[in-house]
Amino acid sequence: GQQLNQSPQSMFIQEGEDVSMNCTSSSIFNTWLWYKQDPGEGPVLLIALYKAGELTSNGRLTAQFGITRKDSFLNISASIPSDVGIYFCAGQLTNMNYGGSQGNLIFGKGTKLSVKP
Amino acid sequence: KAGVTQTPRYLIKTRGQQVTLSCSPISGHRSVSWYQQTPGQGLQFLFEYFSETQRNKGNFPGRFSGRQFSNSRSEMNVSTLELGDSALYLCASRSTELRNTIYFGEGSWLTVV
Repeated sequence: GQQLNQSPQSMFIQEGEDVSMNCTSSSIFNTWLWYKQDPGEGPVLLIALYKAGELTSNGRLTAQFGITRKDSFLNISASIPSDVGIYFCAGQLTNMNYGGSQGNLIFGKGTKLSVKP
Repeated sequence: KAGVTQTPRYLIKTRGQQVTLSCSPISGHRSVSWYQQTPGQGLQFLFEYFSETQRNKGNFPGRFSGRQFSNSRSEMNVSTLELGDSALYLCASRSTELRNTIYFGEGSWLTVV
């Protein structure tokens, strides 16, 4: 099946540092999404990207939809302790059985971020 | 508006039993999908329902089933539970108005013993 390669698997950084993580795929996606998951909770949507080349920010977070539509990255600037968690990228498939409507998500394995105060 | 609500949050079942999990989507959302999350396999798509019809199905055995009601609430059922079914089961609802963005609930933690 389709898979996303997300890297790095884990990061341990100092508070205040910038963070960068990315996802690549062998398949083209029409939508890329970035989620953060805290222990025992469901994924929370951070940023959604809908167009190749799109660069979108949400506070200290910035994400880009790659031009080839096969990759995306997420940057976090000036990290703080509450940024700790697991970050997932997800590509959204097109459901051709329903007129090309948006289909299910394919997730990366996640990047576990630890921040040292 | 309220988010995606899942019940129960935690449950323990014995191997061979069956379990039913419930999900109420965000008000106005007609699409509900289910995902299984395990440490080994990560987040994997189970199925999606839209207007009471299953639109899409992942690669899971027939023991996993679901349904959606006319008020868009959804249930998923796992029969003949196996130890490997222990996982966090996540429900997600999608807005067809806001570019199909998908929002997740907090999940139901299932432990099979």
